Amino acid sequence: DGGITQSPKYLFRKEGQNVTLSCEQNLNHDAMYWYRQDPGQGLRLIYYSQIVNDFQKGDIAEGYSVSREKKESFPLTVTSAQKNPTAFYLCASSISSGGTWALTGELFFGEGSRLTVL
Amino acid sequence: AQSVTQLDSHVSVSEGTPVLLRCNYSSSYSPSLFWYVQHPNKGLQLLLKYTSAATLVKGINGFEAEFKKSETSFHLTKPSAHMSDAAEYFCVVSDQEYGNKLVFGAGTILRVKS
Repeated sequence: DGGITQSPKYLFRKEGQNVTLSCEQNLNHDAMYWYRQDPGQGLRLIYYSQIVNDFQKGDIAEGYSVSREKKESFPLTVTSAQKNPTAFYLCASSISSGGTWALTGELFFGEGSRLTVL
Repeated sequence: AQSVTQLDSHVSVSEGTPVLLRCNYSSSYSPSLFWYVQHPNKGLQLLLKYTSAATLVKGINGFEAEFKKSETSFHLTKPSAHMSDAAEYFCVVSDQEYGNKLVFGAGTILRVKS
């Protein structure tokens, strides 16, 4: 079955450590996204990528980094510079993010990774 | 600025009674509007979308929403709640003015009582 796989589902980190969250999709989608979800705040966009080897900052990119070396993979690194990293992280994909996609398109989400800083 | 407001953070209904989740938006252009559902510790799933076609939009699992431009609203309804409807629901807006960026509301948690 096609879909998006995020791992790990739960992750604990000590302060000062970098951690990397994995996101893999087999939907053959061009665009991929990382969102952060905090209670009562909806979803906020961290980074997105419309094509391999290219990515753009979202609204809250500080303290995060990404790479897009393969179409199916879009890992997110939460660095020690992120001051409040405890959150639920969601990866998503879509057919394309260019042009009028967002007016008609659909995001497909993974099941999320919950990061807790100890 | 483009924004979306979900008027209730929590809604509680009894099984078999109607569901109403309220959403107001602001947009300078003709927006696209979406409702997504999220079950606990899961990703989001698209329920329905409005993209300037019919103003009454039908989605999955018996949900529907009506786009009312004069009221800048896009409320989500269902005639009869089921226990499996208990989840968090997000209203989302997008328009051309902001590069087709999606803006998520803060979410409404729906509780269904037996």
